[in-house]
Amino acid sequence: NAGVTQTPKFQVLKTGQSMTLQCAQDMNHNSMYWYRQDPGMGLRLIYYSASEGTTDKGEVPNGYNVSRLNKREFSLRLESAAPSQTSVYFCASRGQGKLNEQFFGPGTRLTVL
Amino acid sequence: GNSVTQMEGPVTLSEEAFLTINCTYTATGYPSLFWYVQYPGEGLQLLLKATKADDKGSNKGFEATYRKETTSFHLEKGSVQVSDSAVYFCALSEMTGGFKTIFGAGTRLFVKA
Repeated sequence: NAGVTQTPKFQVLKTGQSMTLQCAQDMNHNSMYWYRQDPGMGLRLIYYSASEGTTDKGEVPNGYNVSRLNKREFSLRLESAAPSQTSVYFCASRGQGKLNEQFFGPGTRLTVL
Repeated sequence: GNSVTQMEGPVTLSEEAFLTINCTYTATGYPSLFWYVQYPGEGLQLLLKATKADDKGSNKGFEATYRKETTSFHLEKGSVQVSDSAVYFCALSEMTGGFKTIFGAGTRLFVKA
């Protein structure tokens, strides 16, 4: 099992460029999440998908879009990157039930110039 | 809304010292509580969890007890090692659609040899 995988690991964009961050999990989890991590601010939820075919906004959705392509894959798109979106992005997944923890990918470090 | 507050870091200790990282929460209902650890350059991984009042989670010498009366879930370890240097996140899981997780801001721990 690879767990949660993310691509790319590093990316540098210019202001206004677009890109898609990819995430996949092989644990047959229903729920998937995208977070951003900034110094001193912990993790903030951008979007989540409770199940295949559904997506919902989290705490900081502005400037992002997501697609739950199938049960395995959940992508995050920046349509017009801004310097404020410089961050480390983590994808996570979770199985059903109150007991279940989230499993995280290794992260994507994004810099917007 | 639900929230998690944990002590600010960094915390610097010598090897074999006792560790406490305080965590308190506000929540409606009965959330599950978690401690995650993040080693440099990696995603978060579950350290321990507890699902109801008075439950004690434990792993790798770390432990935390779910205290409903004080709404706390403090992390403790009797003797830290250099390899415990990392960022520790307290979190709660809401029983809403998608089981969103609320994270504290994280506490960085440095352990000196």
